[in-house]
Formats: sequence, structure tokens, C-alpha cells
Amino acid sequence: DSGVTQTPKHLITATGQRVTLRCSPRSGDLSVYWYQQSLDQGLQFLIQYYNGEERAKGNILERFSAQQFPDLHSELNLSSLELGDSALYFCASSVAGGTGNTIYFGEGSWLTVV
Amino acid sequence: GQQLNQSPQSMFIQEGEDVSMNCTSSSIFNTWLWYKQDPGEGPVLLIALYKAGELTSNGRLTAQFGITRKDSFLNISASIPSDVGIYFCAGLMNSGYSTLTFGKGTMLLVSP
Repeated sequence: DSGVTQTPKHLITATGQRVTLRCSPRSGDLSVYWYQQSLDQGLQFLIQYYNGEERAKGNILERFSAQQFPDLHSELNLSSLELGDSALYFCASSVAGGTGNTIYFGEGSWLTVV
Repeated sequence: GQQLNQSPQSMFIQEGEDVSMNCTSSSIFNTWLWYKQDPGEGPVLLIALYKAGELTSNGRLTAQFGITRKDSFLNISASIPSDVGIYFCAGLMNSGYSTLTFGKGTMLLVSP
């Protein structure tokens, strides 16, 4: 158990819908990262938050957004869903944003868009 | 974005055999990481490499940071069935994990 908690573990939704994925980082970790894992693209970095503020952006679509709340949990919002958005979405956390501390991954949220 | 070429894509071996997999890139990385992902789980860090030429072991696992800083390999000795999973290499170009780039993984199957 990495200490990073993600919900829901699985969800199935229709195209055009909107979903929210939730992540609770490890206790004491200030930095949260979101990754998307698909069969053809592998693990892709989406976005990073540090202590409530956006720190870095990766390959995140405009239809997707995220935020980190004062209690440090984070949510990834996916809207106008398309079939191609079906993937495993991982949240990860680290104490800070640098590599002096290990990054820990949650178990992922498996999204299926039908 | 940056690309890591990880090979082989998959391996099917007998228990007790040694395994080797590697990652190459056209870009220089400052840190190489190796992760294992079990079905239904997130990636778990196995070994971290911070200096060119560094050779690090973690039990039956050994990984090396290539001298050119553009490659890394992971060896697993005396494989056992619980080694089954997907192994990912990942490279970091600077000090932030936001730049972590993953290879596409090597699926390892071990026959008892």
C-alpha cells in the first residue's frame, strides 16, 4: 500500500459525460501528480500541483482540469468524454516537487467510456 | 515529448532464468528510475539511479545508469513467479517529477 488513495477504482460512463476522479496523497506529501496510462501511449504526465497551486502541465487536454484543495487532496475533472479517453488514471504524490523524495503512485482509476 | 525506447516488449521465461531489459533515449537524463507494475496496481519504484555509470542492486535486481546518460538496463537474476508484471523505465531530465518520462514497459511472464 503506497498510501496514495484514489477513487473510484472503476467507472464506466458514456461519451459526452463528465467525471471526477479523486486522489488523497500520502500523509505529509504536498505535491500531487496525475498520469494517464493507455495501451498505445503508455504512462503520460498530465499535471502537477504543489501545496494547492499548479506547478507543471504535461499532455493534458483542455477538456480536462484539475485542482488541489487546502486539505491537499486533488481532483481530476474529465469532461465531454470521448472513447479515446478510456484509460487508467494514476495519481502520485511526493513530499515536495523535486527528486530528493520518492514519488508514490496510487492504484489508479480505471475509466471506460462507451 | 521525450521518448524512451524500452525493450523487449515482452518476455516469457522459465523460473530460475536471468532477465535483462533496457531503455535507450536520444536525450540525456539526469536520473533513471525502474518501476514494476502488478495488475490492478500502480507502479512501484524498484531502483533509482542518479549518476552516470552507477550500478545499484536491490535484492535480485541490478540496474545501471549508462555512461552516456542516454540508456539504462535492469537485470533480474534467478527469476521467480512473483516477478511477473510490467517493468517500466523512466527518465528525469531535471529535478522535477513533472518531467518524468516513462518507457512503454516490458511485460515479464515467468513459468514455474
